[in-house]
This record gives sequence, structure tokens and C-alpha cells, in this order.
Amino acid sequence: GDSVTQMEGPVTLSEEACLTINCTYTATGYPSLFWYVQYPGEGLQLLLKATKADDKGSNKGFEATYRKETTSFHLEKGSVQVSDSAVYFCALKGNNAGNMLTFGGGTRLMVKP
Amino acid sequence: EPEVTQTPSHQVTQMGQEVILRCVPISNHLYFYWYRQILGQKVEFLVSFYNNEISEKSEIFDDQFSVERPDGSNFTLKIRSTKLEDSAMYFCASSFYEQYFGPGTRLTVT
Repeated sequence: GDSVTQMEGPVTLSEEACLTINCTYTATGYPSLFWYVQYPGEGLQLLLKATKADDKGSNKGFEATYRKETTSFHLEKGSVQVSDSAVYFCALKGNNAGNMLTFGGGTRLMVKP
Repeated sequence: EPEVTQTPSHQVTQMGQEVILRCVPISNHLYFYWYRQILGQKVEFLVSFYNNEISEKSEIFDDQFSVERPDGSNFTLKIRSTKLEDSAMYFCASSFYEQYFGPGTRLTVT
């Protein structure tokens, strides 16, 4: 079945450092890919998405490119802020699996001033 | 901005008791979902609901679970006889295209 693998956290960075959170997936066909963010005490918020190969999703300075050849969707940000501290989840929606999302394990990001 | 809401935020119950978790999806959304996250584990899909019936369900969603849309706004998840292993954060989501999640209900079974 479909699966998503993320790098384990926590990831601890200083403010203005570069961020990369790795995400790889296994799925048949051409899934849609998502990053969700969960701030402390809140629900999952959609951060960005990409629906086909080579698409780049972007939002709030975060970017991720759908790489079919490496089955990856790594999350990147050039300069993180303390307010980016949260848990980040990579997820996919398969072509043949209706609307259900399959999530990775989540990566906690801590940004220190 | 419209949002998915869930009540209660935290529910404590004894093993064997029935619980009902409530959600109010975003009003123009057509699909409704329940997911759960056991502490320290992945967010797992439970069930999706469309046009007043279940459209997909996972292996986790056994006969102990049921969902209902009792009126035009609420979407509920019922667990008939809770087990210790049902302790988790339960997330409701709704979608027109992308899925929007509520803040979750933390269920603790003692």
C-alpha cells in the first residue's frame, strides 16, 4: 500500500538557518503530495501541495518540489523563524485510494532565537 | 475564515464506556473524515463520509466505530465500547478539494 517516510526529529535550528525536512513516498500511479503543519495545541493546517511531477508548492516561504524520479517531496525554507517551530507532516493522496490521506510520522522543528 | 471545530477538546472515559466525538465541518464541504493519532505515532485514516454514507474505511474502523451526520451541520464519531488502545487524538476533517482539519479531541481511556 501507500506509505510516506519522513526524517525523524526533532530538528533544532537557530533563527535564519536553512531548513530541509526530507520526505519520500511509495505509491502507485501519480499521487498528490502535501505538507501539513501542526502548531502547539492546534490542528493540522495545510501548508502546501503539489499534484503532479515537477510541480513546486510554496507558501509562507516554504517550498517543496514533487520529484517523481526520486519519489520525494522535501520541505525547504531558506531562513526559519522562531514562529516556524511546529510539527511538520508529509502526506499523500493516492490516485486509487479515494480521498484518504496517508501521513508520514511527522518531524518536530524547534527554532531557537 | 471558516474552520472545522471539534468538541470536546479532551474526553476521559472508562474502558467499556461509549463515547461520541463531535465535529462541525466547514459548511460548503462535501466530504468528511476522521483520523486518529496515537501518542508518538502516525496520523492514521479511519473513515470518510460522503453523501450520507461511508465512502472508505480503514482496517482500524471496525464494528466498534460508527459515524453519523445527524443534522445539516454535525458529524460524529461513536466508539461503542472503548478500549485502552483507543486512547489517542482524534481529528475530524472536511474537504471540497483539500482537507481542512479540526484541532482534535484527545480521548483518554482509563
